[in-house]
Amino acid sequence: KNEVEQSPQNLTAQEGEFITINCSYSVGISALHWLQQHPGGGIVSLFMLSSGKKKHGRLIATINIQEKHSSLHITASHPRDSAVYICAVIKNTGNQFYFGTGTSLTVIP
Amino acid sequence: KAGVTQTPRYLIKTRGQQVTLSCSPISGHRSVSWYQQTPGQGLQFLFEYFSETQRNKGNFPGRFSGRQFSNSRSEMNVSTLELGDSALYLCASRRQVGAYEQYFGPGTRLTVT
Repeated sequence: KNEVEQSPQNLTAQEGEFITINCSYSVGISALHWLQQHPGGGIVSLFMLSSGKKKHGRLIATINIQEKHSSLHITASHPRDSAVYICAVIKNTGNQFYFGTGTSLTVIP
Repeated sequence: KAGVTQTPRYLIKTRGQQVTLSCSPISGHRSVSWYQQTPGQGLQFLFEYFSETQRNKGNFPGRFSGRQFSNSRSEMNVSTLELGDSALYLCASRRQVGAYEQYFGPGTRLTVT
């Protein structure tokens, strides 16, 4: 079983819809990242969280340490949001990154 | 400040050959990690180097190896290539082992035929 699980694996939305991507993990962590990967490969970090909630523009990320769960929300989705979103955790033992398998999001105009 | 750079960006090799990929980290970053990304497995950790020493290693066969130079640039080598080694190889740098912020390069797309 993967230590980091994401859902859904694939998501198609109409432009303007509210989107939620979920991440559950089974290990103790120091921090959690939400990453975005566009076709072509480049990965950028959207958020780093160790508690609570962060907001950047139309993106909101939350984490519940007790429940070992994080969500990424996109409000008023746009076709340019189409990408793969990856949840990554830093284990609190070993300091390595562990990744979910990603959620492929397609936003249709 | 320049980002993480990787060369080459694309590579086609034949089964049985070997390949060397290169990664230059962000200036001031001394830790370099390598990852393999495939459609079925997602991102998988290969190894991490810091101060020219391998600090962590993932669960990959010995055909996968790496090294880091005194200027923090890193190379990874895959010997005796197999079809299953076709993947996107990403490197990422951070200031030091344990730093929470990690920055990814654009990746090298390796195709083994």
